[in-house]
Amino acid sequence: AQSVTQLDSHVSVSEGTPVLLRCNYSSSYSPSLFWYVQHPNKGLQLLLKYTSAATLVKGINGFEAEFKKSETSFHLTKPSAHMSDAAEYFCVVSDQTGGFKTIFGAGTRLFVKA
Amino acid sequence: EAGVAQSPRYKIIEKRQSVAFWCNPISGHATLYWYQQILGQGPKLLIQFQNNGVVDDSQLPKDRFSAERLKGVDSTLKIQPAKLEDSAVYLCASSLGFRTDSFLNEQFFGPGTRLTVL
Repeated sequence: AQSVTQLDSHVSVSEGTPVLLRCNYSSSYSPSLFWYVQHPNKGLQLLLKYTSAATLVKGINGFEAEFKKSETSFHLTKPSAHMSDAAEYFCVVSDQTGGFKTIFGAGTRLFVKA
Repeated sequence: EAGVAQSPRYKIIEKRQSVAFWCNPISGHATLYWYQQILGQGPKLLIQFQNNGVVDDSQLPKDRFSAERLKGVDSTLKIQPAKLEDSAVYLCASSLGFRTDSFLNEQFFGPGTRLTVL
């Protein structure tokens, strides 16, 4: 069965320190994996995506994620947090289960302290 | 390039009333999605269209929810009658296609409609 688990509901970091948001997935097929960000009162925006090309994916605003098939993980990282990174982050998996399905994780809220 | 348009942005109704939401996807996008996002949760896919055909509606509560995409362009999602638990943000998204392992399945989201059922 297809599923996605975001291991932390909340993450708090200080400005200038690294960010790590964890995501594990389950898929019977070769999945596409995405990270989306949702700022308060704004729409969902794509940060980055993995579609079976390079396993290290670079996205916007300095974010990147590494696809690790052996660990079924797709963790999101950023070397140095900025205040504007405070938002809700969603890990998403899409594959051909039952036709074609897209499943969102429950989300991780990132807090950035000055 | 214009994004995904949704209306209304906000709607307040009483339980047992009916409500409809409208979505206009990005021009040329064949696939359209409706999601329900309850406060504090991730979006849940309700229905997915490819052109004007339904690809997946397994999580759509069909006794009260309906959706259509006539002519394969814009779409309407209806709730009749509404329940308190339907209070949520309803998101519309579109993509060029929906094939795995392809750039086609990047989804672009609209601003959403916030529904409050009293």
